[in-house]
Amino acid sequence: GENVEQHPSTLSVQEGDSAVIKCTYSDSASNYFPWYKQELGKGPQLIIDIRSNVGEKKDQRIAVTLNKTAKHFSLHITETQPEDSAVYFCAASTYSARQLTFGSGTQLTVLP
Amino acid sequence: SAVISQKPSRDICQRGTSLTIQCQVDSQVTMMFWYRQQPGQSLTLIATANQGSEATYESGFVIDKFPISRPNLTFSTLTVSNMSPEDSSIYLCSVEPDRARTDTQYFGPGTRLTVL
Repeated sequence: GENVEQHPSTLSVQEGDSAVIKCTYSDSASNYFPWYKQELGKGPQLIIDIRSNVGEKKDQRIAVTLNKTAKHFSLHITETQPEDSAVYFCAASTYSARQLTFGSGTQLTVLP
Repeated sequence: SAVISQKPSRDICQRGTSLTIQCQVDSQVTMMFWYRQQPGQSLTLIATANQGSEATYESGFVIDKFPISRPNLTFSTLTVSNMSPEDSSIYLCSVEPDRARTDTQYFGPGTRLTVL
């Protein structure tokens, strides 16, 4: 089955700096890659996603890049703010399996 | 997207008892899923709740321990049976609301379960 590895497990940045979280996946058939933000005491919130026919997608301060050849994808957050502090999860799915496999999560802390 | 609610939001239970968690969606959805998130860990899929038929369980999860119902397209329940402290987790339901398949899932707020 699919295996998703996520790095780093913790990340601290100064407010205004950029943050990058990276994930690799094992199944070359995976074609959908969402990112979720989970704040303390809440359920995961979908923040951005990308499909295998696209190399990059942006939404304001958030961007995701996908390298299908290397089987990795990354989340980029620019101009970080304290409210960006949360746990971020990447995930991958294949059309045939129709289920999400999650990475282990990254605790992002934005220091004021 | 979809608005998803779960009940209860949290509970503390004694070992050996059972708890039923409800998931309600504000619109009809094709797919509903149940996940477990152990303390400080990632999300693990328990099962896919199928409307009108038995749920599809992932490896390591069985119907006797986690019976699931899905009587219609907006509601599902997950029961955690004969609980032990190892069942202490956050239980999350998610939905794939789009009629055209997109694989995009939205999560409810979760049920935080502590078993003593």
